[in-house]
Amino acid sequence: SQKIEQNSEALNIQEGKTATLTCNYTNYSPAYLQWYRQDPGRGPVFLLLIRENEKEKRKERLKVTFDTTLKQSLFHITASQPADSATYLCALFSGGYNKLIFGAGTRLAVHP
Amino acid sequence: DGGITQSPKYLFRKEGQNVTLSCEQNLNHDAMYWYRQDPGQGLRLIYYSQIVNDFQKGDIAEGYSVSREKKESFPLTVTSAQKNPTAFYLCASSIVGVDGNSPLHFGNGTRLTVT
Repeated sequence: SQKIEQNSEALNIQEGKTATLTCNYTNYSPAYLQWYRQDPGRGPVFLLLIRENEKEKRKERLKVTFDTTLKQSLFHITASQPADSATYLCALFSGGYNKLIFGAGTRLAVHP
Repeated sequence: DGGITQSPKYLFRKEGQNVTLSCEQNLNHDAMYWYRQDPGQGLRLIYYSQIVNDFQKGDIAEGYSVSREKKESFPLTVTSAQKNPTAFYLCASSIVGVDGNSPLHFGNGTRLTVT
């Protein structure tokens, strides 16, 4: 069956370190993968999009990688700050299903 | 500022009552969506609309209904047929229709509690 998995356990890191979040999928062939940030009680906010033929995408302190062989995307936040604390969702778009499919998200807590 | 407005933020209803959640956007986006979010689960698609006067069922449409009479508005009705309606409901829009290359813009959700 098709699955998209993000680590359900919260990731706790020290301020200034790099946070790395993982998104794994099985039985999909995504053309695009998107990352969103969600704060408690609010809607998700789009961060980055990466295409299947791109290995890496950067935006300021954010970096996303996409490995279609490993069926995995990694989301990195460098020089993390307490304000980066939130839940991060990955979503993949598979043309065969013609819709965005969301993971359950990983909560990140950055401690001063 | 352009964006998506969902109202109300919190909604309480008795079992057996229909309830309508509002979603308005001023982004001039063609496509609009309704998702449901439950703890520990990914967002699940209820309905989506790519143009005015047209909409399609998502993965969990049973017990829900929508309309798209105006480009800006996409209200969701949770009917008494929905077995487990208590959840956080999110409305979203995108510039074009279902296309992984178009990011979604979300509202801030309505938390519905049915007792």
